[in-house]
Amino acid sequence: DQQVKQNSPSLSVQEGRISILNCDYTNSMFDYFLWYKKYPAEGPTFLISISSIKDKNEDGRFTVFLNKSAKHLSLHIVPSQPGDSAVYFCAVGSGNTGKLIFGQGTTLQVKP
Amino acid sequence: SQTIHQWPATLVQPVGSPLSLECTVEGTSNPNLYWYRQAAGRGLQLLFYSVGIGQISSEVPQNLSASRPQDRQFILSSKKLLLSDSGFYLCAWSLGTSGIVNEQFFGPGTRLTVL
Repeated sequence: DQQVKQNSPSLSVQEGRISILNCDYTNSMFDYFLWYKKYPAEGPTFLISISSIKDKNEDGRFTVFLNKSAKHLSLHIVPSQPGDSAVYFCAVGSGNTGKLIFGQGTTLQVKP
Repeated sequence: SQTIHQWPATLVQPVGSPLSLECTVEGTSNPNLYWYRQAAGRGLQLLFYSVGIGQISSEVPQNLSASRPQDRQFILSSKKLLLSDSGFYLCAWSLGTSGIVNEQFFGPGTRLTVL
């Protein structure tokens, strides 16, 4: 039973355009949401996060949107750059446990 | 600043051999520590987490064990490796703030191949 799902295993976008990565979760008790970026043979690096009291958080080219009623999280990258090509994981957590649950990841390819 | 180290970077072991992977964190005290595994083409599976010395919680029944002998040291072990233990093992740390979810920061990972 997957509590966090990234239904698109891969996404291909042209350089300069917007990349939109999606994530769905099942438990309304989750109150903290994160995105990580991972290159092959490296550990994931933290990108951006949002708490359940917000619906949007922006950091440079990266914006995370949270739709609590739909239990949906998305990451927008604008403009996309070839260096953004990587696997992106969403993660959700609850203050009750302090643990994170990760999605399966979406491989983003940004074409020059 | 905080840093997290993992070693070795790669490891090839025969089936039935023991395993010991080490993770250390610098620049912080009383961190929460985590071991994850990423199997080929899959997401990150939490294996163990620890909120303090000697305190280990196991997330999935398996052939592995974890120990935390010091505040900033986390060890992943196995007495006898199975083929299914192959994967990319990641150690992570976060601030140990009770009741709050904090960002986790990952080490570089260990690629384990069991033959």
